[in-house]
Amino acid sequence: NAGVTQTPKFRILKIGQSMTLQCTQDMNHNYMYWYRQDPGMGLKLIYYSVGAGITDKGEVPNGYNVSRSTTEDFPLRLELAAPSQTSVYFCASSYDEDISGNTIYFGEGSWLTVV
Amino acid sequence: GENVEQHPSTLSVQEGDSAVIKCTYSDSASNYFPWYKQELGKRPQLIIDIRSNVGEKKDQRIAVTLNKTAKHFSLHITETQPEDSAVYFCAASISSSASKIIFGSGTRLSIRP
Repeated sequence: NAGVTQTPKFRILKIGQSMTLQCTQDMNHNYMYWYRQDPGMGLKLIYYSVGAGITDKGEVPNGYNVSRSTTEDFPLRLELAAPSQTSVYFCASSYDEDISGNTIYFGEGSWLTVV
Repeated sequence: GENVEQHPSTLSVQEGDSAVIKCTYSDSASNYFPWYKQELGKRPQLIIDIRSNVGEKKDQRIAVTLNKTAKHFSLHITETQPEDSAVYFCAASISSSASKIIFGSGTRLSIRP
């Protein structure tokens, strides 16, 4: 299994441009997440999904959009990129073994710089 | 609102000594509390977790304790080694959705030789 795969690994965007970060997982996990991590800071939840066709906002959703058309894929769309969106983005997934919790597996991260 | 606070932000201990990192959470219905370790430039990786029906869990040199009444949980690392140097994050599930996991701000642990 490849686990959680996200692309691209590095990207430089100009202010106002748009882009999509791709994420796919091959573990048949029903839950998927997008987090951002600013330099030297913690992880902030952007959006998450409990299954295909269902998405919910996290702590910092403004400026982003997501979709979940399949169990495997959970792309993150940045519209009108701003310098404040310079960050490392982590896609993650988990399998809800029971109602009380699950283990989150992270992708390797995507380093995004907006200039 | 939903919040996980983590202290200290940095911690330096002598090799062989113990390290303790503490977290508090705001949602009394939170029921899952994982801890992640992140090395420089790498992805976070789960090191231990605890669920609300358990007060303590241990895995070799690592242990986690949970006090649901006080809404706080702690990570204990004994006999610290150089490879324990990393950033550690606590996290908690949020009652509105068991799938929603939010993280603390992290603790940078340094082990002095």
